[in-house]
Amino acid sequence: AQSVAQPEDQVNVAEGNPLTVKCTYSVSGNPYLFWYVQYPNRGLQFLLKYITGDNLVKGSYGFEAEFNKSQTSFHLKKPSALVSDSALYFCAVRVLMDSSYKLIFGSGTRLLVRP
Amino acid sequence: ETGVTQTPRHLVMGMTNKKSLKCEQHLGHNAMYWYKQSAKKPLELMFVYNFKEQTENNSVPSRFSPECPNSSHLFLHLHTLQPEDSALYLCASSQDGTGQTYGYTFGSGTRLTVV
Repeated sequence: AQSVAQPEDQVNVAEGNPLTVKCTYSVSGNPYLFWYVQYPNRGLQFLLKYITGDNLVKGSYGFEAEFNKSQTSFHLKKPSALVSDSALYFCAVRVLMDSSYKLIFGSGTRLLVRP
Repeated sequence: ETGVTQTPRHLVMGMTNKKSLKCEQHLGHNAMYWYKQSAKKPLELMFVYNFKEQTENNSVPSRFSPECPNSSHLFLHLHTLQPEDSALYLCASSQDGTGQTYGYTFGSGTRLTVV
């Protein structure tokens, strides 16, 4: 079955430290992968995507993600966390189901950056 | 604002009420989606409309009824809901049904509470 998993419900990190939010996927064919962020009482905002090309993708707000085909992972990273990065992060993968494309999302990981 | 507007932002309704959620986008997108977001669960895709035609009904109970009068507007009509239907309902749009370019653009959601 095609799926995306975020194994951590919450990630805690101190401001200034590097952060990683994990995502693994299972899809048929080449994956199209996305990261979104959700701030309180807001919808999801696009951060970055991987379609093809360089395995290291750079996105908004200093975030980047590394596509690893052998490990079927697409972990979100940032070299130096900010308190304002605290939010809910969703990984998503585009899948072809029932002759149409759609995004399926992980369950989300809450990132808490402490001062 | 992302370009996808949802109203109302908050809704409290009784189990015997009838209400509607509205979503509007003026991004020139041709595909629109309803998602349900419940705590600690993956986003659940409910309905997909592509060029105003419903292409997906993800086993959603009939107490939820979507309507897409044109490619800019999407409604979710609610009647005789259950308390477990309380959730954040997110509308999204994409340029086409593949969501390839930037994935989806999300609205801020309607927080629904069924009492």
